[in-house]
Parts: sequence; structure tokens; C-alpha cells
Amino acid sequence: QVQLQERGAGLLKPSETLSLTCAVYGGSVIDYNWAWIRQPPGKGLDWIGEVSPSGTTNYNPSLKSRVTLSLHTSRNLFFLELYSVTAADTAVYYCATFNEGGSYFDVWGQGSLVTVSA
Amino acid sequence: QSALTQPPSASGSPGQSVTISCTGTITDLYVSWYQQHPGKAPKLVIFEVNKRPSWVPDRFSGSKSGNTASLTVSGLQPEDEADYYCSSSIVGNSFDMIFGGGTKLTVL
Repeated sequence: QVQLQERGAGLLKPSETLSLTCAVYGGSVIDYNWAWIRQPPGKGLDWIGEVSPSGTTNYNPSLKSRVTLSLHTSRNLFFLELYSVTAADTAVYYCATFNEGGSYFDVWGQGSLVTVSA
Repeated sequence: QSALTQPPSASGSPGQSVTISCTGTITDLYVSWYQQHPGKAPKLVIFEVNKRPSWVPDRFSGSKSGNTASLTVSGLQPEDEADYYCSSSIVGNSFDMIFGGGTKLTVL
């Protein structure tokens, strides 16, 4: 089964850009749809968006103006960029495979904590 | 704005059954449930309303009636104590996803 591992900077200042990478093992990025989900400390899950193998994206309307999801097919990586972060973006960020036909997230990474603080 | 409402908590004794509800504008087919233990990533336990991944025991089952989806855990075991989240695509925009607020299941 495919395994996922998130990595990226854990501490950012307000107004900086959050950049996370999801490394894909045991499968290819071109075989799945991909999603990012985040979870603020002590709170619930929040869908950020998804990208298809062809690069078609769909974003949470509340984040659409600040987010970009992309794939690097030759390196088998999946990316999240979130611009102009604030403390409200502090969260654990998860990458996951997304089954578009059934609208569910079937494989999750272990998560990466990103803290935004001055 | 679309929203999925879950009770904040539920509980049961070992061996009992517990049902967690998820109410909102839910698409007919696309309801999924996730289990999350403290400090761990969520794990899919139910998809497409009532289907289980192969690694999930058959003590977990899902159903839907009208605007309410439900997750039932039968024969409660201590390891079932976790947070549970429902999820669905948004009616009218099947490409946008939404999560419920989560339910903390306590095994007494």
C-alpha cells in the first residue's frame, strides 16, 4: 500500500509562505488524486484542497486565494503552498490520497505540525 | 454554508454498541468516517456510507437516513476509544469536501 510522508518548515512568521512536501512511497503520484487536510491544535479536520494526476485542482473556497497544490511526477512528490500565513494557519497538515469516485481519503500521512508565530 | 454536525461526545462500556450521528446536507452516496487516536493521523473506517476497508473489523458499520449518517461501533473494545469524524462532499458541488466537528468516543 502507498505510504506518505510530509516534510517542511515547522515554524513560520506571519506573512511568510508555508511550503510542505508529501513524499510518496510504494506508488506513483500519477495513479492517485491527492489532498491536503489540516487540523488546528485541539480542533477538527479542515479540507484544504485536492489535485488530480493531470494537475486539475480544487480548493476550499475559504483558502482559494492563498493556496496552490501541485505535483512533481518525476520525483513522486506532492506540494502545498499557503501564502501570507497568520496564527490561524497553525495546524498539523496531512497529505492523503483522495478517491474521487467515492469522495473519501483512504491513505494518510503521519502529519506535519506548522506553527505560525512572531 | 454547508455544515456537518456531530455530537461532541459519546460513550459506552466494553461489549456494548454505540452510534454516532452526523447531520447536515449530505450527498446520497459520499459519506465517509475517520478514526483518530491522540497524536495520530486519521484512519478511514467507513466509505460510501456503509463500506469498510479490508483492514477495518466488521464491528464498524455505517448507514444513512435522510440528512443523517450514522457510524455504529458494536462490541466496543478499549482500542475503539478515539475521535471520529464524518465527511461528505458538498451537495451542489460534489468536488468540495467537508468534515463534521468530530465526536470523542469514550470506552468506560
